[in-house]
Amino acid sequence: GESVGLHLPTLSVQEGDNSIINCAYSNSASDYFIWYKQESGKGPQFIIDIRSNMDKRQGQRVTVLLNKTVKHLSLQIAATQPGDSAVYFCAENWLINNNDMRFGAGTRLTVKP
Amino acid sequence: DTGVSQNPRHKITKRGQNVTFRCDPISEHNRLYWYRQTLGQGPEFLTYFQNEAQLEKSRLLSDRFSAERPKGSFSTLEIQRTEQGDSAMYLCASSLQSEQFFGPGTRLTVL
Repeated sequence: GESVGLHLPTLSVQEGDNSIINCAYSNSASDYFIWYKQESGKGPQFIIDIRSNMDKRQGQRVTVLLNKTVKHLSLQIAATQPGDSAVYFCAENWLINNNDMRFGAGTRLTVKP
Repeated sequence: DTGVSQNPRHKITKRGQNVTFRCDPISEHNRLYWYRQTLGQGPEFLTYFQNEAQLEKSRLLSDRFSAERPKGSFSTLEIQRTEQGDSAMYLCASSLQSEQFFGPGTRLTVL
């Protein structure tokens, strides 16, 4: 399953499928990008980050892709599990100006068993 | 649990009252941030401290909002003369370098 972030704020996938959550960022000067997961009633939880000198970074079951040309970020979750159900936010930051991290509106991921 | 704690977790108040929230960051973190999050939206940056110095406060929503970090450890966020539009989740985060660790938030309801 795939979302386009702000335009499709919900994404529903079958357990075991791969998920792709997309995000368009706004500031071409941003040089640090983060994906957060937020479960109901909790604060955002760091998933993975990437700096602007990279275009791909992999974690455990997650991959972040960065396309600076079109200011696009994506989060890929492999073998999605029910515990992955949450709202996912991308955030952009300009590290020299670390005080101002900007979040997108989020995408709600629902994993169907 | 990230190690950042916030109190209270929930606050219900009447319009016009003052409220104060507390954030205890991870102990070695020198940077502390406050955000506001309304339903269905991402967190919105409010203010930022490096140690006890408040380095950015232009994004505080109005002059009714103020924050302190007097000893460079815990921080408080105060909202004076609360309005119904202040109802939101108020999140605190701390960092040592670039990664910010968020607390569970304080949910404010203004009646």
